[in-house]
Amino acid sequence: DARVTQTPRHKVTEMGQEVTMRCQPILGHNTVFWYRQTMMQGLELLAYFRNRAPLDDSGMPKDRFSAEMPDATLATLKIQPSEPRDSAVYFCASARNSGRRDEQFFGPGTRLTVL
Amino acid sequence: GESVGLHLPTLSVQEGDNSIINCAYSNSASDYFIWYKQESGKGPQFIIDIRSNMDKRQGQRVTVLLNKTVKHLSLQIAATQPGDSAVYFCAEEDSSYKLIFGSGTRLLVRP
Repeated sequence: DARVTQTPRHKVTEMGQEVTMRCQPILGHNTVFWYRQTMMQGLELLAYFRNRAPLDDSGMPKDRFSAEMPDATLATLKIQPSEPRDSAVYFCASARNSGRRDEQFFGPGTRLTVL
Repeated sequence: GESVGLHLPTLSVQEGDNSIINCAYSNSASDYFIWYKQESGKGPQFIIDIRSNMDKRQGQRVTVLLNKTVKHLSLQIAATQPGDSAVYFCAEEDSSYKLIFGSGTRLLVRP
């Protein structure tokens, strides 16, 4: 069955290293979201794309985070340089159409630990 | 500003009983709300949604109630089962069509 996939599922890295997380949205979905989940802040929207164009990245620290969609089947979230406070679970979600009132399907997440 | 919150962080219920999970929202202009279920190690999963022109919506064993007067949302689960154990989030769609999630309530089902 169709589902959002994310790689890697787990990542442990040292402070200062570059981290790249990947997401494959459900085929045919044109809206992709990146969320971060922590115990303190809960689930926060970092950025989202529609038809591969970034629409909103106001939730993302601009100095170290970047999000792209090289093609319709791949979304990436990069952190450079990583910091311990970036430790969290990062979720990608996709939606079929406009994203408004369209069910968002979440991937299994990437658990990032920055030492 | 817009915010969504939950009254109870943890709810423990006996298997077979009904569960009620509550949520408060602050933006009276919000017109779309969703409940998500998140099991351990997994991403959130859509359960049920409701638009502001409705007071109640039913799904399979779940019912969402919306009280716009007091800005309150609830999720009712009938005949709670062990598989219902998870964290439940309410979410509100803001004016930019983005979802704002509440802090979550953990539901524990006792056998």
